[in-house]
Amino acid sequence: LAKTTQPISMDSYEGQEVNITCSHNNIATNDYITWYQQFPSQGPRFIIQGYKTKVTNEVASLFIPADRKSSTLSLPRVSLSDTAVYYCLVGDESNFGNEKLTFGTGTRLTIIP
Amino acid sequence: SAVISQKPSRDICQRGTSLTIQCQVDSQVTMMFWYRQQPGQSLTLIATANQGSEATYESGFVIDKFPISRPNLTFSTLTVSNMSPEDSSIYLCSVESRRGVYEQYFGPGTRLTVT
Repeated sequence: LAKTTQPISMDSYEGQEVNITCSHNNIATNDYITWYQQFPSQGPRFIIQGYKTKVTNEVASLFIPADRKSSTLSLPRVSLSDTAVYYCLVGDESNFGNEKLTFGTGTRLTIIP
Repeated sequence: SAVISQKPSRDICQRGTSLTIQCQVDSQVTMMFWYRQQPGQSLTLIATANQGSEATYESGFVIDKFPISRPNLTFSTLTVSNMSPEDSSIYLCSVESRRGVYEQYFGPGTRLTVT
């Protein structure tokens, strides 16, 4: 699995858009980029996944440049309930159904009222 | 999505004792995973439990310390044996999703404190 690097922590005010960038310089051709969210006292929760360009769902957007060496998770108009740790993972679809998730340090996002 | 429950949700145990953590899923799954999350840290995979076969342990984790059972497709247990304060962590189970690559569903975790 490719190693990922994220900021350790970020603060943002309510109502703003938050962008968390993850570096994965050694990403392989078959690797996907996946983001998880973890609230205190809960297990991680899948947010979004992408391979290239842009992916959007009801929770977030994921921007992946052409070289795929980084990705940016974008959370629109954050609220206090978005305070959590966000993990970026990179992995190979050839292990689908048998993936061993390797979590990095994650980014602790704190939303300020 | 799968609904996962864990028992107990938390426990305080004495050094040298053992605790068995249960993980129940509301649907049949082939792969189940056990993770450890030490205070303020990220998650570390302990082992992968495939129904009908021995669990596969990651480097640094051994069966004698963390025996795992997987009796059927909806249930697994992880035992933390001969506990020491260093075993104080949150233990989480997860299961594979058939929806996409690297998407797993996690249980709420079991918070273990060893005194």
